Amino acid sequence: GESVGLHLPTLSVQEGDNSIINCAYSNSASDYFIWYKQESGKGPQFIIDIRSNMDKRQGQRVTVLLNKTVKHLSLQIAATQPGDSAVYFCAEKSGGSNYKLTFGKGTLLTVNP
Amino acid sequence: DVKVTQSSRYLVKRTGEKVFLECVQDMDHENMFWYRQDPGLGLRLIYFSYDVKMKEKGDIPEGYSVSREKKERFSLILESASTNQTSMYLCASSSAGTGINEQYFGPGTRLTVT
Repeated sequence: GESVGLHLPTLSVQEGDNSIINCAYSNSASDYFIWYKQESGKGPQFIIDIRSNMDKRQGQRVTVLLNKTVKHLSLQIAATQPGDSAVYFCAEKSGGSNYKLTFGKGTLLTVNP
Repeated sequence: DVKVTQSSRYLVKRTGEKVFLECVQDMDHENMFWYRQDPGLGLRLIYFSYDVKMKEKGDIPEGYSVSREKKERFSLILESASTNQTSMYLCASSSAGTGINEQYFGPGTRLTVT
């Protein structure tokens, strides 16, 4: 079956540094991917999405890269701030499902002042 | 802004009780979802509804049922709560269409079954 996983469960960075959060997936027939941020005590919030026919998408301080050859997705956060501390999930929408997303297990990002 | 609300943030129930978790969305979304979130296991889909009175089982439906009588409301029911159902429960909604249908999440209900 399909799976979405993360390389690292935790990531600790200094304030102002760039952060890179990675995600591996196994389903080649994905329609799109979404990154979510979940702060402590809150539900996941949408950050950015990328269609499977794209390699890169940029948002405000965030960039998502998609490498379909190795089935790898990454979220880059520029100039990381303490407010970026959260758990980050990647989610995959496969072509065979009706709007269902498959979520990775999450990476905890800690930003040190 | 899309708003998904859940009836309780924290809930404590006893084993064997019938438990209702309510979710309401205000964006006229067709799709609604119930997940549970456990440490190390991520988000797992319990049930999904794509229309009023329509539902599909997710990955872990055992021990749960759902009800969708109105478009904006999706209820999760634990017929007889057990301790292994202690978890964080998240409701989400999304639109239906050919584009990217991101899911909007509620704040979650932390359920403890004793």
